[in-house]
Amino acid sequence: KAGVTQTPRYLIKTRGQQVTLSCSPISGHRSVSWYQQTPGQGLQFLFEYFSETQRNKGNFPGRFSGRQFSNSRSEMNVSTLELGDSALYLCASHESLVSGAGELFFGEGSRLTVL
Amino acid sequence: DQQVKQNSPSLSVQEGRISILNCDYTNSMFDYFLWYKKYPAEGPTFLISISSIKDKNEDGRFTVFLNKSAKHLSLHIVPSQPGDSAVYFCAARGGSQGNLIFGKGTKLSVKP
Repeated sequence: KAGVTQTPRYLIKTRGQQVTLSCSPISGHRSVSWYQQTPGQGLQFLFEYFSETQRNKGNFPGRFSGRQFSNSRSEMNVSTLELGDSALYLCASHESLVSGAGELFFGEGSRLTVL
Repeated sequence: DQQVKQNSPSLSVQEGRISILNCDYTNSMFDYFLWYKKYPAEGPTFLISISSIKDKNEDGRFTVFLNKSAKHLSLHIVPSQPGDSAVYFCAARGGSQGNLIFGKGTKLSVKP
């Protein structure tokens, strides 16, 4: 069974630009969560989707948005990029309705650098 | 405010000895706890979990202990191996509708 696939793996943007990251969950998984990892800050929850609906949202500004498609693939978008948005963005899929129930399966992440 | 805290950013242990990684939490509604391991350039991988109705869960060399009264859990790795060198994240769930909340991680180095 293929794991969680995230694209692109690495990207460099400049301040003010926008970026879209993609995530393909494990086949059969209908829930997708997104996390931001920055040095010294651990994994901070961005949002969670199930069946194309956002079910939970973390404490991030409105510049961060996401969506999920009918095939469970998910995208997240960050608009008006700031230097502080430089981070590893991790996508995780899970079988359960909510991410807290059972383990999450993570992708390798998309490393975003904002210059 | 941080609901899940890993107060030790790093830990160094000799191969063959015990590694103990600690995690504290503040939310008494948390009912499920997990440990993840992360190597550089890879996503976190699930290691072991424990429900709040238990105080210990064991899986091979890995044991997680939960002390609900102290709001503290720990991960024991015995014996430690160089391949265990990674960043370990503690995570907690807050109720049936809650997302996983992660600590900042502890970098474990196991010296041969």
